[in-house]
Amino acid sequence: QQPVQSPQAVILREGEDAVINCSSSKALYSVHWYRQKHGEAPVFLMILLKGGEQKGHEKISASFNEKKQQSSLYLTASQLSYSGTYFCGTETGTYKYIFGTGTRLKVLA
Amino acid sequence: DGGITQSPKYLFRKEGQNVTLSCEQNLNHDAMYWYRQDPGQGLRLIYYSQIVNDFQKGDIAEGYSVSREKKESFPLTVTSAQKNPTAFYLCASSVTASSGNTIYFGEGSWLTVV
Repeated sequence: QQPVQSPQAVILREGEDAVINCSSSKALYSVHWYRQKHGEAPVFLMILLKGGEQKGHEKISASFNEKKQQSSLYLTASQLSYSGTYFCGTETGTYKYIFGTGTRLKVLA
Repeated sequence: DGGITQSPKYLFRKEGQNVTLSCEQNLNHDAMYWYRQDPGQGLRLIYYSQIVNDFQKGDIAEGYSVSREKKESFPLTVTSAQKNPTAFYLCASSVTASSGNTIYFGEGSWLTVV
């Protein structure tokens, strides 16, 4: 069962903030976040390993709540380069790695 | 340079034909993966392999087959049994570190059935 992401799509103006959520019906032991430009390979953003952990990457940060089986990605003061599709990913078994349903983000000038 | 190479980038197939997508990595990673992506959709796991000569079905393995005869190679065959094979296919590999596993992707292959 794929983790479910919300919202499915979001449109922002440059400088605005956004939050992308990732929710799993199964226990999460770690969460990865990736960004994909159209027709290209997904690019790794960050990994969160511990419950309640928060990490940051430039103006992009994330939180991970093990108990709620959820993770959220925070994009602050969005830039045009942030446009793309964001995926959360998690390992559900030994080396079995699955991804969420994806969130399409469009940043307008 | 180290990385994952997929070929071909674009492939057209007639209905009823099998086609094999190549995936080669020189990162010395043990695990390799195949994912399928449909327009506007997420990534769905087809097959994955932890070590040479061993692989497991993912969530959508029907109509696909793989082999892992060498550590660096993990080809995917899309068989005629796959009812709707037109999609973007991504190969990936992973390495285990103290900070967890990180997945690295190839550039993808576009398959169109005509």
